Amino acid sequence: KAGVTQTPRYLIKTRGQQVTLSCSPISGHRSVSWYQQTPGQGLQFLFEYFSETQRNKGNFPGRFSGRQFSNSRSEMNVSTLELGDSALYLCASSPRQGMEPQHFGDGTRLSIL
Amino acid sequence: TQLLEQSPQFLSIQEGENLTVYCNSSSVFSSLQWYRQEPGEGPVLLVTVVTGGEVKKLKRLTFQFGDARKDSSLHITAAQPGDTGLYLCAGGSLDSGGSNYKLTFGKGTLLTVNP
Repeated sequence: KAGVTQTPRYLIKTRGQQVTLSCSPISGHRSVSWYQQTPGQGLQFLFEYFSETQRNKGNFPGRFSGRQFSNSRSEMNVSTLELGDSALYLCASSPRQGMEPQHFGDGTRLSIL
Repeated sequence: TQLLEQSPQFLSIQEGENLTVYCNSSSVFSSLQWYRQEPGEGPVLLVTVVTGGEVKKLKRLTFQFGDARKDSSLHITAAQPGDTGLYLCAGGSLDSGGSNYKLTFGKGTLLTVNP
């Protein structure tokens, strides 16, 4: 059974640009959550999507947005990138909304220059 | 805001030693999960505990959920280099609206087991 797939694995951007990250959940999983991981703050919840609707949201500015498609694949977009957005962005899927456990992808490492 | 404090933040030990890492909060959680994350990879679930006082064993790993469901511990017996990684705890609870389940992660304990 294929795991959670995130693309790209690595990305380098400059301040002010925007970026889109992609996540393909485990087949049959309908919930996708996004997290930001940094050494200082650890793993922080961004948002959760289920049935193409955002169901839960963390405390991040509006520059962070996402969407989910009918096949449960999800994208995350960050606009007007700042140096502090440099982080590992992790996607996790689960069969149902809020259902544990979370199955994580290996993340996208985003570096802002 | 619910917070999970993990201690120690860093731990470096020799192969064969025993260790315990802790996950503490002032909040009550309906469940507590432990994950291990290796460099360049995403976290992988080790165990979920849901009942206060619950103890689960996974080979050399023993997990305990506090009676009040506010804290948890992970004990590793006879650590091996393959146990090296970032150990994360995550507490599950409903949000203030009572309709959305959320996970709150601790910052993790970075364990290094030297051969």
